[in-house]
Formats: sequence, C-alpha cells, structure tokens
Amino acid sequence: AQKITQTQPGMFVQEKEAVTLDCTYDTSDQSYGLFWYKQPSSGEMIFLIYQGSYDEQNATEGRYSLNFQKARKSANLVISASQLGDSAMYFCAMRGGYNKLIFGAGTRLAVHP
Amino acid sequence: DTEVTQTPKHLVMGMTNKKSLKCEQHMGHRAMYWYKQKAKKPPELMFVYSYEKLSINESVPSRFSPECPNSSLLNLHLHALQPEDSALYLCASSWLPGQGNQETQYFGPGTRLLVL
Repeated sequence: AQKITQTQPGMFVQEKEAVTLDCTYDTSDQSYGLFWYKQPSSGEMIFLIYQGSYDEQNATEGRYSLNFQKARKSANLVISASQLGDSAMYFCAMRGGYNKLIFGAGTRLAVHP
Repeated sequence: DTEVTQTPKHLVMGMTNKKSLKCEQHMGHRAMYWYKQKAKKPPELMFVYSYEKLSINESVPSRFSPECPNSSLLNLHLHALQPEDSALYLCASSWLPGQGNQETQYFGPGTRLLVL
C-alpha cells in the first residue's frame, strides 16, 4: 500500500532563513509522482512543486525546491528565504491509483519576524 | 491560468435542507474531484469524474450526490446531512492520469459547510 509520512507536526523558522520540511513515502510502483501543497488558514490548497519518479534532477519552483532521494524514499521540501506569508500547513502527497492523491498528515510552519 | 472556483464560500444548513455546492474550471481538464477535509486533517477523496463520468466513489454516503453536467462544471448535491458532515469541501481538477506533471491537481478555495 502507498503511504506518505510527515513526521514534523510543527516547525518554526525565522524570516529570511531556509527551512526543510520532511516527507518520506512508501510505494512498490516504479512510476509515481510526488507533490507538495500549501494550505493557508483560508483553506485553499495551493500547488507548489512536483517531482516525477523518473526525473533525474530535483524540481525547483522559485523559492521552493524538492530534495528527492529515491533510494531513501524521501521528498523533502526546502523553502529558501522564508517570508511571513509562508506560514501555513504544508502537505506532501503522492499520486495513487486512478490519480488519487494520498496525503501525509501535514506540517504546520510558522515564520517568525 | 490554474483557477478553480467554488461557490458558495460558506454554507450553513439544517439536517433537513437540500443544498448544492458548485465547482468550475476552464483549464480544459477532463478529471474533476471532490474532497472532504476535517479540521487539522488532510483532505479525503470522495469522488472522481473522468470525461464527465463518475470513475471513483470512495464509499460516500448517498446523502452526498455528485453531478458533472459538462467538462467544466462539477456539483455536489447535499441532502439530509448530519452534523459530522461539517467540514471544508474542496474541488480539484487535473488532466488525465499518466501524463507526467499534467497530472497535478489544482484545487479551488473550498466551501466551509456547517450542518446544524
């Protein structure tokens, strides 16, 4: 069975510093996709970044990068130069069968000035 | 543009009411989804539509009735709900599976539902 594990219920970071949010996954599929979403208190799920299992390079999108270590089955999100607006819940997710998204429990990030 | 819209933003209803949630996307996506999210939990998949046909029903009670009138619209009809159905209901859309990063699901802002 496919599973996403996020072991950090909450994280704190100072503004302008970098932060890494952990995500490990379990799957027996050879082809899979990994996603990170941000959910502010308003509720909307905002897509941040995608990594395909066959992608040789780590995905990057602006201040977001995904540290993909296939052998370790980890897909950590790195946010550089944190901003106050980055305070939110962050979900790691994996594409399951029939394009179902399997979510981790989430990590709540607080950015302090 | 990766916009998915949902109406209403907030909804309060009694257990005997009938109401509908609406979701719309104009990205040409042929897959649309309904998720339910309780506080401090990740979203849980309810339904998936592919090419306007229901492809997945995650054993959702019949008091929730989805409808996909066309490729841009997705409705969720609500009837005789229970207080435990109070949650954030999220709609999402995507291209069809297995097409690389086109499989990304884009979410709407959600409808916060309170059942009294």
